[in-house]
Amino acid sequence: QVQLVQSGAEVKKPGASVKVSCKTSGYTFSNYIISWVRQAPGQGLEWMGWISAHNGNTDYAQKFQGRVTMTTETSTTTAYMELRSLRSDDTAVYYCARFSSAYYFFDYWGRGTLVTVSS
Amino acid sequence: EIVMTQSPASLSVSPGERATVSCRASQSVSSNLAWYQQKPGQAPRLLIYGASTRAIGIPGRFSGSGSGTDFTLTISSLQSEDFAVYYCQQYNNWPPALTFGGGTKVEIK
Repeated sequence: QVQLVQSGAEVKKPGASVKVSCKTSGYTFSNYIISWVRQAPGQGLEWMGWISAHNGNTDYAQKFQGRVTMTTETSTTTAYMELRSLRSDDTAVYYCARFSSAYYFFDYWGRGTLVTVSS
Repeated sequence: EIVMTQSPASLSVSPGERATVSCRASQSVSSNLAWYQQKPGQAPRLLIYGASTRAIGIPGRFSGSGSGTDFTLTISSLQSEDFAVYYCQQYNNWPPALTFGGGTKVEIK
């Protein structure tokens, strides 16, 4: 079965970077896009961007351009999201999700990784 | 950026009653619209894609309609497990981007 298993919770200081991993299994990794979506406490969902596991092409939401990098490692079928220059308002649960580019939806999600930014 | 506006922000409904959630796009998104359900402490779950197609395993009481800029999610007879937050999501081809609505919390009346 399709699974997306994310790395554990992180606590970071303002100005630091965080790198979250998303280990996938149960499907052909290179056939899909992996996206990252975050959710601040008590707030809604915010799309951050995505990466094609086929060719590594990325698109980032304008808000995160210059501060986020998404990568994949085909040998381990793992996706990564690195966010730099962290601020307190980056405190959120970060989800990875598999995106269907045929029908434009997220069909499988990881359980989320809580990133807390605090001095 | 296409802005998705959901209404209402919250909705109180009795079990067995009908719930209707609206989502409006700031410009046409054709039928590139999906609906998700999220319960506390859980990741979102896909309900509807292509504006009106139920995802695998989703009960028939969930239905979606609309195209262009106006969309509706209807839950025909609310069950206890349906009390949750619902989000709409659109996809735009160019520039490639994706946005979510602000969410609608469906609560027990």
